[in-house]
Amino acid sequence: AQSVTQLDSQVPVFEEAPVELRCNYSSSVSVYLFWYVQYPNQGLQLLLKYLSGSTLVKGINGFEAEFNKSQTSFHLRKPSVHISDTAEYFCAVTTHQGGSEKLVFGKGTKLTVNP
Amino acid sequence: KAGVTQTPRYLIKTRGQQVTLSCSPISGHRSVSWYQQTPGQGLQFLFEYFSETQRNKGNFPGRFSGRQFSNSRSEMNVSTLELGDSALYLCASSHSPSGRFKETQYFGPGTRLLVL
Repeated sequence: AQSVTQLDSQVPVFEEAPVELRCNYSSSVSVYLFWYVQYPNQGLQLLLKYLSGSTLVKGINGFEAEFNKSQTSFHLRKPSVHISDTAEYFCAVTTHQGGSEKLVFGKGTKLTVNP
Repeated sequence: KAGVTQTPRYLIKTRGQQVTLSCSPISGHRSVSWYQQTPGQGLQFLFEYFSETQRNKGNFPGRFSGRQFSNSRSEMNVSTLELGDSALYLCASSHSPSGRFKETQYFGPGTRLLVL
């Protein structure tokens, strides 16, 4: 079964600093990979996704992620964060099991951007 | 275009009761997925409906069930509530004609259920 590990549960950074949120997944087959953001008291919003092709994926709000098949990683980066980026970020991977597909999420990383 | 709406937004129930949550997808979307979010277990996939049929299913007990109507609106039911069912329940809609999760899912704000 697929699993997703987000290596940091909390990441504090200062405004305008770069940030990297790490995500590793376990897989022996091709997968789809996603990053979602959740602002307080809201649902999830898709930041970006990797389906195939170029390993560097650009998303909304200046975020990007790099798919690394050999390291089974899909780290999220932003060169300069804003206070408004404070939120919880979830990495997710599709898994296919017993004829059924589902989305498996990591435990989330809380990003806090300080002034 | 209106987003995904979920009702009610907050709910308090007692153990043993049953509850029904509702989700209205974005107009034109035929796929609706349900997720449970708790501090301990994180986000977990419950099931997905497409054109009134359950197409994908997570690893939850049979107390959790759902259905989808011809207008794509979906309901989720939890019978014999347990304390551990306290969670934020999120639904998401997408086009997803293929049954794969590669199409973008649009999430609602969730229903926060508290079981006492």
